[in-house]
Amino acid sequence: EAGVAQSPRYKIIEKRQSVAFWCNPISGHATLYWYQQILGQGPKLLIQFQNNGVVDDSQLPKDRFSAERLKGVDSTLKIQPAKLEDSAVYLCASSLNSGAYPYTFGSGTRLTVV
Amino acid sequence: DAKTTQPNSMESNEEEPVHLPCNHSTISGTDYIHWYRQLPSQGPEYVIHGLTSNVNNRMASLAIAEDRKSSTLILHRATLRDAAVYYCILRDPFESGSARQLTFGSGTQLTVLP
Repeated sequence: EAGVAQSPRYKIIEKRQSVAFWCNPISGHATLYWYQQILGQGPKLLIQFQNNGVVDDSQLPKDRFSAERLKGVDSTLKIQPAKLEDSAVYLCASSLNSGAYPYTFGSGTRLTVV
Repeated sequence: DAKTTQPNSMESNEEEPVHLPCNHSTISGTDYIHWYRQLPSQGPEYVIHGLTSNVNNRMASLAIAEDRKSSTLILHRATLRDAAVYYCILRDPFESGSARQLTFGSGTQLTVLP
């Protein structure tokens, strides 16, 4: 089966610019997650979707980050405006359902803010 | 959340077995023990999970202590491709909401020497 697709693979932007990341989960997976991984740390959950609804966005910095999953399939994560500390790898993962395991992760988008 | 403790780093020689330890003294009766690994420039990938009994799959074995306060991920014959960060995570599928999510610590960086 096809894995979790993410694009772009790399992105370099200047601070205060905006950026968007795209994720296509495994077909049939109802639950989608966005994680942020800062260099040297484990991934940190930003937001969880169940179909097209948000289950948990408690760790999403909502003043600058937004995410949507309009049709319950693809998802987009946006940062506007970006700060230097947003430099990280943004990982998308999906699972069959909320509470189901395992999660399948994409390869991530490496963001560098200069 | 129940907490896990792993060594920051370990080394192994190629073609030898590797035993990666994880301590989880506050584990609850319904916490499953999950292992994921993250190869360089990749997203985490599922390795194995278990509840009480030892588990085997094509990638690894999971040995769980009788009191469940510790577990060991066993790679039977390490290859250079097994060099990665290994994460031990506890999750209770019967919890509600965010408690079901995978929460990553810093993991163990495994180096495999040729």
